[in-house]
Amino acid sequence: DIVMTQSHKFMSTSVGDRVSITCKASQDVGTAVAWYQQKPGQSPKLLIYWASTRHTGVPDRFTGSGSGTDFTLTISNVQSEDLADYFCQQYSSYPTFGAGTKLELK
Amino acid sequence: QVQLKESGPGLVAPSQSLSITCTVSGFSLTSYDISWIRQPPGKGLEWLGVIWTGGGTNYNSAFMSRLSISKDNSKSQVFLKMNSLQTDDTAIYYCVRARLTGTGYFDVWGAGTTVTVSS
Repeated sequence: DIVMTQSHKFMSTSVGDRVSITCKASQDVGTAVAWYQQKPGQSPKLLIYWASTRHTGVPDRFTGSGSGTDFTLTISNVQSEDLADYFCQQYSSYPTFGAGTKLELK
Repeated sequence: QVQLKESGPGLVAPSQSLSITCTVSGFSLTSYDISWIRQPPGKGLEWLGVIWTGGGTNYNSAFMSRLSISKDNSKSQVFLKMNSLQTDDTAIYYCVRARLTGTGYFDVWGAGTTVTVSS
Protein backbone atom coordinates (compact mmCIF):
# COMPACT_ATOMS: atom_id res chain seq x y z
CA ASP A 1 0.00 0.00 0.00
CA ILE A 2 1.13 3.54 -0.66
CA VAL A 3 0.94 5.54 2.57
CA MET A 4 0.12 9.24 2.37
CA THR A 5 1.42 11.18 5.36
CA GLN A 6 0.04 14.58 6.34
CA SER A 7 2.43 15.51 9.10
CA HIS A 8 0.31 18.31 10.53
CA LYS A 9 -2.94 17.15 12.08
CA PHE A 10 -3.82 20.79 12.84
CA MET A 11 -2.72 24.09 11.32
CA SER A 12 -3.60 27.56 12.56
CA THR A 13 -4.10 30.52 10.32
CA SER A 14 -5.72 33.95 10.13
CA VAL A 15 -8.12 35.34 7.56
CA GLY A 16 -6.08 36.84 4.74
CA ASP A 17 -3.02 34.66 5.39
CA ARG A 18 -1.36 32.21 3.06
CA VAL A 19 -1.11 28.63 4.34
CA SER A 20 0.51 25.50 2.89
CA ILE A 21 -0.66 21.99 3.76
CA THR A 22 1.80 19.22 2.96
CA CYS A 23 1.46 15.55 2.06
CA LYS A 24 4.20 12.96 1.54
CA ALA A 25 3.81 9.68 -0.34
CA SER A 26 5.69 6.56 0.75
CA GLN A 27 6.78 5.98 -2.84
CA ASP A 28 6.82 7.84 -6.15
CA VAL A 29 3.24 8.51 -7.33
CA GLY A 30 4.12 10.89 -10.17
CA THR A 31 1.41 13.55 -10.16
CA ALA A 32 -1.47 11.18 -9.36
CA VAL A 33 -2.60 13.17 -6.33
CA ALA A 34 -5.90 14.81 -5.46
CA TRP A 35 -6.90 17.12 -2.62
CA TYR A 36 -10.30 17.30 -0.92
CA GLN A 37 -11.94 19.74 1.48
CA GLN A 38 -14.38 18.49 4.12
CA LYS A 39 -16.44 20.77 6.36
CA PRO A 40 -18.16 19.49 9.51
CA GLY A 41 -21.19 17.35 8.73
CA GLN A 42 -20.50 17.40 4.99
CA SER A 43 -18.98 14.98 2.53
CA PRO A 44 -15.56 15.74 1.04
CA LYS A 45 -15.35 17.97 -2.03
CA LEU A 46 -12.74 17.64 -4.76
CA LEU A 47 -10.43 20.65 -4.99
CA ILE A 48 -7.40 19.56 -7.02
CA TYR A 49 -6.48 16.55 -9.18
CA TRP A 50 -3.32 15.59 -11.09
CA ALA A 51 -1.53 17.43 -8.27
CA SER A 52 -2.21 20.90 -9.69
CA THR A 53 -5.42 20.95 -11.76
CA ARG A 54 -8.18 22.89 -10.09
CA HIS A 55 -11.62 21.21 -10.19
CA THR A 56 -14.50 23.12 -11.76
CA GLY A 57 -15.67 26.00 -9.60
CA VAL A 58 -12.76 25.90 -7.14
CA PRO A 59 -11.49 29.42 -6.35
CA ASP A 60 -8.06 30.24 -7.70
CA ARG A 61 -6.76 30.93 -4.19
CA PHE A 62 -6.37 27.13 -3.96
CA THR A 63 -3.19 25.91 -5.65
CA GLY A 64 -1.72 22.42 -5.75
CA SER A 65 1.90 21.59 -6.46
CA GLY A 66 4.41 18.77 -6.28
CA SER A 67 5.39 15.53 -7.94
CA GLY A 68 7.03 12.27 -6.97
CA THR A 69 6.61 12.00 -3.20
CA ASP A 70 6.06 15.56 -1.94
CA PHE A 71 2.88 17.54 -2.47
CA THR A 72 1.50 20.85 -1.22
CA LEU A 73 -1.90 22.49 -1.16
CA THR A 74 -1.54 26.25 -0.77
CA ILE A 75 -4.43 28.50 0.14
CA SER A 76 -3.76 32.19 -0.51
CA ASN A 77 -5.81 34.91 1.18
CA VAL A 78 -7.53 32.41 3.49
CA GLN A 79 -11.24 33.05 3.96
CA SER A 80 -13.36 32.01 6.93
CA GLU A 81 -15.16 29.49 4.73
CA ASP A 82 -11.83 27.72 4.10
CA LEU A 83 -11.64 26.50 7.70
CA ALA A 84 -12.11 22.78 7.20
CA ASP A 85 -10.34 19.42 7.02
CA TYR A 86 -8.12 18.79 4.02
CA PHE A 87 -7.19 15.33 2.73
CA CYS A 88 -4.68 14.29 0.10
CA GLN A 89 -5.19 11.11 -1.95
CA GLN A 90 -2.97 9.21 -4.34
CA TYR A 91 -4.24 7.20 -7.29
CA SER A 92 -1.02 5.83 -8.69
CA SER A 93 -2.16 2.48 -7.34
CA TYR A 94 -5.43 1.67 -5.59
CA PRO A 95 -6.56 4.84 -3.84
CA THR A 96 -5.24 5.76 -0.40
CA PHE A 97 -5.77 8.93 1.61
CA GLY A 98 -3.81 10.99 4.09
CA ALA A 99 -5.17 11.25 7.64
CA GLY A 100 -6.16 14.87 7.11
CA THR A 101 -5.15 18.34 8.27
CA LYS A 102 -7.62 20.51 10.14
CA LEU A 103 -7.26 24.21 9.29
CA GLU A 104 -8.23 26.36 12.27
CA LEU A 105 -8.24 30.03 13.19
CA LYS A 106 -5.41 31.30 15.37
CA GLN B 1 -27.98 17.95 -11.53
CA VAL B 2 -25.43 15.27 -10.76
CA GLN B 3 -26.24 13.56 -7.46
CA LEU B 4 -25.61 10.38 -5.55
CA LYS B 5 -27.68 9.34 -2.54
CA GLU B 6 -26.99 6.48 -0.18
CA SER B 7 -29.61 4.64 1.83
CA GLY B 8 -28.69 2.18 4.54
CA PRO B 9 -29.98 0.48 7.69
CA GLY B 10 -28.37 2.80 10.25
CA LEU B 11 -27.75 0.08 12.84
CA VAL B 12 -26.26 -3.37 12.24
CA ALA B 13 -25.65 -6.06 14.84
CA PRO B 14 -22.13 -7.51 15.13
CA SER B 15 -21.46 -10.45 12.79
CA GLN B 16 -24.40 -9.47 10.58
CA SER B 17 -24.25 -8.16 7.04
CA LEU B 18 -24.62 -4.62 5.71
CA SER B 19 -26.50 -3.62 2.57
CA ILE B 20 -26.45 -0.07 1.21
CA THR B 21 -28.04 1.27 -1.97
CA CYS B 22 -26.67 4.23 -3.89
CA THR B 23 -29.09 5.93 -6.28
CA VAL B 24 -27.56 8.27 -8.84
CA SER B 25 -29.14 10.99 -10.95
CA GLY B 26 -27.92 13.36 -13.61
CA PHE B 27 -25.61 10.81 -15.23
CA SER B 28 -25.59 7.20 -16.36
CA LEU B 29 -23.92 4.25 -14.70
CA THR B 30 -22.95 3.12 -18.19
CA SER B 31 -20.73 6.19 -18.49
CA TYR B 32 -19.12 6.50 -15.04
CA ASP B 33 -17.54 4.14 -12.55
CA ILE B 34 -18.75 4.23 -8.93
CA SER B 35 -16.57 3.66 -5.88
CA TRP B 36 -17.42 3.19 -2.22
CA ILE B 37 -15.42 4.98 0.47
CA ARG B 38 -15.92 4.96 4.22
CA GLN B 39 -14.94 7.24 7.07
CA PRO B 40 -14.92 6.02 10.70
CA PRO B 41 -15.95 8.65 13.27
CA GLY B 42 -13.34 11.37 13.56
CA LYS B 43 -10.96 9.53 11.24
CA GLY B 44 -9.74 9.51 7.67
CA LEU B 45 -11.03 8.04 4.43
CA GLU B 46 -10.73 4.44 3.25
CA TRP B 47 -11.43 3.22 -0.29
CA LEU B 48 -13.46 0.01 -0.33
CA GLY B 49 -13.94 -0.85 -3.98
CA VAL B 50 -15.25 0.12 -7.40
CA ILE B 51 -17.75 -1.09 -9.95
CA TRP B 52 -16.86 -0.19 -13.51
CA THR B 53 -19.23 0.88 -16.26
CA GLY B 54 -19.11 -2.61 -17.73
CA GLY B 55 -20.01 -4.25 -14.40
CA GLY B 56 -16.59 -5.51 -13.43
CA THR B 57 -15.37 -4.85 -9.91
CA ASN B 58 -12.15 -4.24 -8.01
CA TYR B 59 -11.84 -4.36 -4.24
CA ASN B 60 -9.46 -3.15 -1.57
CA SER B 61 -7.60 -6.34 -0.65
CA ALA B 62 -8.41 -5.72 3.03
CA PHE B 63 -12.12 -6.24 2.30
CA MET B 64 -12.06 -8.62 -0.65
CA SER B 65 -13.27 -11.63 1.34
CA ARG B 66 -16.40 -9.96 2.68
CA LEU B 67 -17.33 -7.18 0.23
CA SER B 68 -19.50 -7.29 -2.86
CA ILE B 69 -20.50 -4.42 -5.16
CA SER B 70 -23.15 -4.74 -7.85
CA LYS B 71 -25.47 -2.46 -9.82
CA ASP B 72 -28.66 -2.14 -11.82
CA ASN B 73 -28.08 0.30 -14.66
CA SER B 74 -31.76 0.53 -15.52
CA LYS B 75 -32.58 1.72 -12.01
CA SER B 76 -29.43 3.88 -11.70
CA GLN B 77 -28.57 2.02 -8.50
CA VAL B 78 -25.35 0.63 -7.08
CA PHE B 79 -25.33 -1.84 -4.21
CA LEU B 80 -22.77 -2.50 -1.50
CA LYS B 81 -22.91 -5.64 0.60
CA MET B 82 -20.42 -6.33 3.38
CA ASN B 83 -20.49 -9.45 5.54
CA SER B 84 -19.39 -10.21 9.10
CA LEU B 85 -19.49 -6.65 10.41
CA GLN B 86 -17.62 -5.73 13.57
CA THR B 87 -17.63 -2.60 15.69
CA ASP B 88 -14.69 -1.12 13.78
CA ASP B 89 -16.85 -1.13 10.66
CA THR B 90 -18.83 1.72 12.23
CA ALA B 91 -18.44 4.57 9.75
CA ILE B 92 -20.06 6.91 7.29
CA TYR B 93 -20.26 5.08 3.96
CA TYR B 94 -20.08 7.20 0.82
CA CYS B 95 -20.75 6.32 -2.79
CA VAL B 96 -18.71 8.48 -5.12
CA ARG B 97 -18.36 9.06 -8.83
CA ALA B 98 -14.93 7.90 -9.85
CA ARG B 99 -12.71 9.12 -12.66
CA LEU B 100 -9.87 7.37 -14.47
CA THR B 101 -11.01 3.73 -14.55
CA GLY B 102 -12.67 4.02 -11.18
CA THR B 103 -9.59 4.05 -8.99
CA GLY B 104 -8.57 7.60 -9.77
CA TYR B 105 -9.94 10.68 -8.13
CA PHE B 106 -13.51 11.25 -7.01
CA ASP B 107 -15.38 14.24 -8.39
CA VAL B 108 -18.88 13.87 -6.94
CA TRP B 109 -19.74 12.46 -3.49
CA GLY B 110 -22.99 11.39 -1.95
CA ALA B 111 -23.97 12.79 1.44
CA GLY B 112 -23.10 9.46 3.03
CA THR B 113 -25.02 7.08 5.22
CA THR B 114 -24.02 6.44 8.83
CA VAL B 115 -23.68 2.81 9.84
CA THR B 116 -23.30 1.88 13.49
CA VAL B 117 -22.32 -1.67 14.39
CA SER B 118 -23.65 -2.43 17.84
CA SER B 119 -25.69 -4.97 19.73
